[in-house]
Amino acid sequence: EAGVAQSPRYKIIEKRQSVAFWCNPISGHATLYWYQQILGQGPKLLIQFQNNGVVDDSQLPKDRFSAERLKGVDSTLKIQPAKLEDSAVYLCASSLDTNPPVGSGTGVPYNEQFFGPGTRLTVL
Amino acid sequence: AQSVTQPDIHITVSEGASLELRCNYSYGATPYLFWYVQSPGQGLQLLLKYFSGDTLVQGIKGFEAEFKRSQSSFNLRKPSVHWSDAAEYFCANQAGTALIFGKGTTLSVSS
Repeated sequence: EAGVAQSPRYKIIEKRQSVAFWCNPISGHATLYWYQQILGQGPKLLIQFQNNGVVDDSQLPKDRFSAERLKGVDSTLKIQPAKLEDSAVYLCASSLDTNPPVGSGTGVPYNEQFFGPGTRLTVL
Repeated sequence: AQSVTQPDIHITVSEGASLELRCNYSYGATPYLFWYVQSPGQGLQLLLKYFSGDTLVQGIKGFEAEFKRSQSSFNLRKPSVHWSDAAEYFCANQAGTALIFGKGTTLSVSS
């Protein structure tokens, strides 16, 4: 089974330029996540999609970041314009379905998140 | 707000020695806890998870973790470390429908 694919693997841009990252999730996975991992920190969720709808984008800096998953399969994350502090690894993950909130007691099996290799962005 | 703390930024262990990586969480209800490993240039891989039940959980690659509610901890252990275990390890807690990660612990293995 193919894993989560991301491209490009590396990108170097000047500040104020724009950049786009692409993610293709595991086939059949309805839920797709974009995380930002700054050097020395753990991944931080930017946006979560369920099919082509947004579940959570509360931590996405919407003045410069945008993401879409138009056909409910692959996804694009864009930064425009980029700032120095956007230098990070951008990880895409997918899961079969969205997990219910902790304590909701629905008894459904947990849907593991599978991560891609990431795109390392350097903003100069 | 929920948080996950990994007190050790970097640990060095001799090959064949035992390993314990610390993780503390803050959340009032029953937490859903995870350990992930990230090798250089690789995505994160799930080692193990805890939702409820037996507080000692077994994972892949010979890892185990113990949930201790009284200490708000979920420490990762391995009885004998191999050189291939050198990587970065992340503890995570599910918040809502997504994951909150700690800052990670880098494990180096010396021969």
